[in-house]
Amino acid sequence: DVVLTQTPVSLLISLGGQASISCRSSQSLVHSNGNTYLHWYLQKPGQSPQLLIYQVSNRFSGIPDRFSGSGSGTDFTLKISRVEPEDLGVYYCLQRTHNPWTFGGGTKLELK
Amino acid sequence: QVTLKESGPGILQPSQTLSLTCTFSGFSLSTYGMGVGWIRQPSGKGLEWLANIWWDDDKYYNPSLKNRLTISKDTSNNQAFLKITNVDTADTATYYCARIEVYYGFDFDYWGQGVMVTVSS
Repeated sequence: DVVLTQTPVSLLISLGGQASISCRSSQSLVHSNGNTYLHWYLQKPGQSPQLLIYQVSNRFSGIPDRFSGSGSGTDFTLKISRVEPEDLGVYYCLQRTHNPWTFGGGTKLELK
Repeated sequence: QVTLKESGPGILQPSQTLSLTCTFSGFSLSTYGMGVGWIRQPSGKGLEWLANIWWDDDKYYNPSLKNRLTISKDTSNNQAFLKITNVDTADTATYYCARIEVYYGFDFDYWGQGVMVTVSS
């Protein structure tokens, strides 16, 4: 199975600051069709996860441009600029290039 | 507007079969490229993908649960189902269903609110 390792496990950020979360894969996530199926989700406290970024760098509908995704192959990064209170929660990466689909362990974003 | 809602027994005993239902609206599982997946989350822990079912009735399962999973759908009633046999306390979790939209590459773009399941004797 593909292992996704997220770092850091937790992140203390001041409001208005910038956060960076890494997701490293044990295998390349480039699919045979050329796409890279690495997505990012945010699970706010007490809520279901929500899709933020799909296929590495595409913001899902309604997601502000403060969120950006980048990377390729096995190394991916989610950046959140100008952190706002509603950005707090646990961030997960998901890969679906290889079966079984696997999630990263999560990164908890908290206020400093 | 896409919505999904999970339902289940709440509590069951070890060795029983867990039956979950996902009732959705705003899309059809008979439409090309659509799918529904099941994901679970033990309290305070991370997410685990369980199974997907697609518009063409193709199914994918997480092999870590071996042969305990069965996913199915009722297209007419906009429902998807997941059965887990021979449950034990390790299956205690919140279970989510989520939509998959293959054409645009949206995987789990909409999620249900989740249903808590407790396995206890």
